[in-house]
Amino acid sequence: GENVEQHPSTLSVQEGDSAVIKCTYSDSASNYFPWYKQELGKRPQLIIDIRSNVGEKKDQRIAVTLNKTAKHFSLHITETQPEDSAVYFCAASDSWGKLQFGAGTQVVVTP
Amino acid sequence: DGGITQSPKYLFRKEGQNVTLSCEQNLNHDAMYWYRQDPGQGLRLIYYSQIVNDFQKGDIAEGYSVSREKKESFPLTVTSAQKNPTAFYLCASSIGLAGAYNEQFFGPGTRLTVL
Repeated sequence: GENVEQHPSTLSVQEGDSAVIKCTYSDSASNYFPWYKQELGKRPQLIIDIRSNVGEKKDQRIAVTLNKTAKHFSLHITETQPEDSAVYFCAASDSWGKLQFGAGTQVVVTP
Repeated sequence: DGGITQSPKYLFRKEGQNVTLSCEQNLNHDAMYWYRQDPGQGLRLIYYSQIVNDFQKGDIAEGYSVSREKKESFPLTVTSAQKNPTAFYLCASSIGLAGAYNEQFFGPGTRLTVL
């Protein structure tokens, strides 16, 4: 089945700097890669996703890149702000369409 | 955030008891899911359902049971056979499952604690 690895597990950045989170997946049939943000005690919320026919997608300060050959995808947050502090999860769909999640990255943005 | 609800928000259970967690959605979604979240770990799939009266085991189904009698509802029962049930439980739904590309919407979660 699909296996998703996510790094780093924690990430501290100064406000205004960029943050990058990387994920790798194992199932070459995976074709959908969402990223979720979860604030403490809250539900995960989709922040951006990418499909396998696209290499990069951007939404304001957030971007995701996908390298299907290498089977990895990354989340980039630019000009980080304190409200970006949260746990971020990557996920990849398996061949049945179910999502397999990474273990999460705790992002802390310090003023 | 609206559209998918879970109750209760907090639940306490004594060892040996079965408890049922509620999940309801009014998004007209066919697919529904249950995940378990433990500290420092990602979301792990317990059960999922693609259509009414049908459901499949996920990665960690042992000690859990579900039913899908109505499209809107997908309750999860944590049985006494689940050895370590204390966790945060999240329900989700999506338009469909097959072919992926389906954003999953999450409920607010139920925090279960075994006393």
